[in-house]
Amino acid sequence: SAVISQKPSRDICQRGTSLTIQCQVDSQVTMMFWYRQQPGQSLTLIATANQGSEATYESGFVIDKFPISRPNLTFSTLTVSNMSPEDSSIYLCSVSRDSNNQPQHFGDGTRLSIL
Amino acid sequence: AQTVTQSQPEMSVQEAETVTLSCTYDTSESDYYLFWYKQPPSRQMILVIRQEAYKQQNATENRFSVNFQKAAKSFSLKISDSQLGDAAMYFCAYRSAGNDMRFGAGTRLTVKP
Repeated sequence: SAVISQKPSRDICQRGTSLTIQCQVDSQVTMMFWYRQQPGQSLTLIATANQGSEATYESGFVIDKFPISRPNLTFSTLTVSNMSPEDSSIYLCSVSRDSNNQPQHFGDGTRLSIL
Repeated sequence: AQTVTQSQPEMSVQEAETVTLSCTYDTSESDYYLFWYKQPPSRQMILVIRQEAYKQQNATENRFSVNFQKAAKSFSLKISDSQLGDAAMYFCAYRSAGNDMRFGAGTRLTVKP
C-alpha cells in the first residue's frame, strides 16, 4: 500500500487565520481525496483533488473556504481559510491507485483546533 | 445516492470471544466494493478487509471475515478470537467504480480482558 505523509500532524490556530495541510505520497496515485472527521463522528468527503485542474467539491464545501491544489500525482494541499471554532476537526488525506476496486489508503490526519 | 448504515454505535466483546459488527447499504449500482476500516485512538485509518460485489465468496483475512448478503445489501464483519488490540472504531465503507468511498457512522468496539 502507499505510504502517505501528512503535515502538520496537529496545530492550534487563531480564529480568522488560514492553515495549509500537505499530503505527500511515496508513489504516483490516480485519485486523492480530502476528508473531514469531526470529534466522535464519521468521515465526510470535502473534495476530490484533481491533478492539473480544479478540485471537485462535495455539497456544503466551497473552494473559497477549502482551496485545494494538486500539482502532480504524488502531492496535494488543502487550505482551511478564515478559520472559526467550527473548523476544529481532523482532516484526512486519502489516496487510491485507481478509480475502481482499489481501496483508499489514509494519512495519519491533521488534528486542527481553533481558538 | 449511496448510503451506508451502521446501526450499532457501540459494541463490547470479551477477549478471545467472537463479535459481529453490522452494516447495511443502499445502492442502485451493480458493480461496487465494500470495505471495513479500523481506526484506533491513534486515528490512523487501517484497512481490515474488502469484498468485491461480484464475488459470492465471503472475504476472510485471518481472524476477520465478512458475511456478504448482496440481495439484502448487508455486509457484516466478524472478529474471531478477539484481542485487546482490536479495540477501535470500525467503519464500513462503500465504493462504486470511478467514485470515492462513502462511510457509515462507525461502531466503537470495546474488548474486555
